[in-house]
Amino acid sequence: GENVEQHPSTLSVQEGDSAVIKCTYSDSASNYFPWYKQELGKRPQLIIDIRSNVGEKKDQRIAVTLNKTAKHFSLHITETQPEDSAVYFCAANGRGRRALTFGSGTRLQVQP
Amino acid sequence: SAVISQKPSRDICQRGTSLTIQCQVDSQVTMMFWYRQQPGQSLTLIATANQGSEATYESGFVIDKFPISRPNLTFSTLTVSNMSPEDSSIYLCSVQGEADTQYFGPGTRLTVL
Repeated sequence: GENVEQHPSTLSVQEGDSAVIKCTYSDSASNYFPWYKQELGKRPQLIIDIRSNVGEKKDQRIAVTLNKTAKHFSLHITETQPEDSAVYFCAANGRGRRALTFGSGTRLQVQP
Repeated sequence: SAVISQKPSRDICQRGTSLTIQCQVDSQVTMMFWYRQQPGQSLTLIATANQGSEATYESGFVIDKFPISRPNLTFSTLTVSNMSPEDSSIYLCSVQGEADTQYFGPGTRLTVL
C-alpha cells in the first residue's frame, strides 16, 4: 500500500519567515495530495490540496508543489504568523483508493 | 462542506467494556471512513464504512474489535470492543466530499482505565 514520509517533524521559524514541509510518497498511482492543519484539541482541517495533473497550487500565503517524477510534494507557507502554529499533515490516496494515508506530521512553531 | 458531528465527544471507560461512537452528517455522502489518532501521533485508517455492506478493514484492524455499521448515507457507528488502555485514542470519522476532498468530524477522545 501507500507509504507517506514527512519531514521535518518539528519546525520553528520567526514570524514573517517562510516555512517548508516536505513529503514523499511510494505509490506512483496516487493522484490526490491534501494538506491538513490540526490545532491542539481540534479536528484536522483541510487547508490545500493538489492533484497529479497540476504541478503547483497557491492560496494566499499557502502553496503546494508536486513533483510526480520524484514522488514528492511540499507545503510552503510565506509570511508566517503565530496563528500558523499547529501540526501539519500531508496525505496521499494510493492506488485505486478513496481513503488517505497520512504522513507523520510536522509541528510548526512560529515565534513572535 | 458537510457538517459532521460525533457523539460522544469524550468518554472514560473501564477496561473490558465497549463503547459505540456515532457519526452523523448533514447530507448524503458516498464514502465514510473511521480513523484513529493515538496521543501525539498521526492518523491511521481503521476502515471504510460501506453503506449496506460490511466495512472494509485495514491491516491490523478486525471486525470483532471494531465493528462498524452504516445503515444509510448520513450515519455510521464505530464500536470499540473489549477495551484496553492501548485503545485510548481519538477516533475520527471522515466523509468524502467533491473531488476526493475529505472532511473530519470533531473526534471522540477515549480514555480507557
